[in-house]
Amino acid sequence: DAGVIQSPRHEVTEMGQEVTLRCKPISGHDYLFWYRQTMMRGLELLIYFNNNVPIDDSGMPEDRFSAKMPNASFSTLKIQPSEPRDSAVYFCASSFRSSYNEQFFGPGTRLTVL
Amino acid sequence: AQTVTQSQPEMSVQEAETVTLSCTYDTSESDYYLFWYKQPPSRQMILVIRQEAYKQQNATENRFSVNFQKAAKSFSLKISDSQLGDAAMYFCACSGTYKYIFGTGTRLKVLA
Repeated sequence: DAGVIQSPRHEVTEMGQEVTLRCKPISGHDYLFWYRQTMMRGLELLIYFNNNVPIDDSGMPEDRFSAKMPNASFSTLKIQPSEPRDSAVYFCASSFRSSYNEQFFGPGTRLTVL
Repeated sequence: AQTVTQSQPEMSVQEAETVTLSCTYDTSESDYYLFWYKQPPSRQMILVIRQEAYKQQNATENRFSVNFQKAAKSFSLKISDSQLGDAAMYFCACSGTYKYIFGTGTRLKVLA
């Protein structure tokens, strides 16, 4: 199994630009999570999906952030417009059957907004 | 609301020695799970060990074991015979009905 796949691994953009991060969960997993990791705030849950449906987006910092999961094998996290304070590592994770189970993390996308 | 607290930002251990990382949590849920994840410099998050809250027996995985004190809401990780490859950030997490909450992490340094 290829594991959770995220792209791109690194993204450098300028303030005001739109950024789209992509995730392919492990096949068969029905939960998908988006996290943001910073030195100041640690690992924060942004949003999670169950069977492609957003269940809890209370962690999404503001309206500039949006996430979609059009099918079981693909999800996107979009930031529009991006700001320097959005610079962080963004992780996608997936799990099977329950949020109680082990989450399998992707390698993360390091986002730098100049 | 769930909270997870790791009060040790950084720990050091001599190679082959034993180290214990602390974690306390708070949750209003009666059914929950506790986890320790490892994040090496490669950034990849890896599950180290998992504990079901309804089980009294402490989980073990080779050199890794936990001390789960449910009444005290404490969940510490013990690493025996520490190896250089154990150097990483370690995150404690609590999972309830809806989501995981992670602690702020403990950076473990292993000294040769």
